[in-house]
Amino acid sequence: AQSVAQPEDQVNVAEGNPLTVKCTYSVSGNPYLFWYVQYPNRGLQFLLKYITGDNLVKGSYGFEAEFNKSQTSFHLKKPSALVSDSALYFCAVRDGAGGSQGNLIFGKGTKLSVKP
Amino acid sequence: DAGVIQSPRHEVTEMGQEVTLRCKPISGHDYLFWYRQTMMRGLELLIYFNNNVPIDDSGMPEDRFSAKMPNASFSTLKIQPSEPRDSAVYFCASSDQGHHNEQFFGPGTRLTVL
Repeated sequence: AQSVAQPEDQVNVAEGNPLTVKCTYSVSGNPYLFWYVQYPNRGLQFLLKYITGDNLVKGSYGFEAEFNKSQTSFHLKKPSALVSDSALYFCAVRDGAGGSQGNLIFGKGTKLSVKP
Repeated sequence: DAGVIQSPRHEVTEMGQEVTLRCKPISGHDYLFWYRQTMMRGLELLIYFNNNVPIDDSGMPEDRFSAKMPNASFSTLKIQPSEPRDSAVYFCASSDQGHHNEQFFGPGTRLTVL
């Protein structure tokens, strides 16, 4: 069965410091991995995805994520956090060999708070 | 493309009333998803369709909830009768295999049942 875990409910970072939001996953085949961001009173917005190729994926707003197959992780990172990065972040996964199962499995979300 | 469109954006109703939420997916997408988000339970998948056919409705909380997709450009989520515990934000999303099933979310409908 597919699953994804975001072990931290909340991450607090000072503006200008690097940030990491953690995600681990479990799938039977090759994973397709996604990060989404949700700002208050908005829908989820796509940030980046890993399908195949380079393990370091770059996305919107200066975010990047590193796929680590041995650790089954896909942590979201940013070198220098901004107050405007404060939001709810969701990791999602699907099995790349899932055939017609087109749904994504979402983590429970991590609230990122960046303080000035 | 205008993205996923949901209506209404806000709905306030009284317990026992019927509520219908609407969604127009992105043109060409063959998957459509309905989610519910609350503080207590987070983001929950209710049901999803592929080519207008319901694939998995195991997340639908009870028989008061029903969803239809009569054609590729329209879907409804109906709650009858509504209860206060149904108060939540309901999201619709669509995707296609050409984008590795990356989901595009609508702005959501905030439902309040009094």
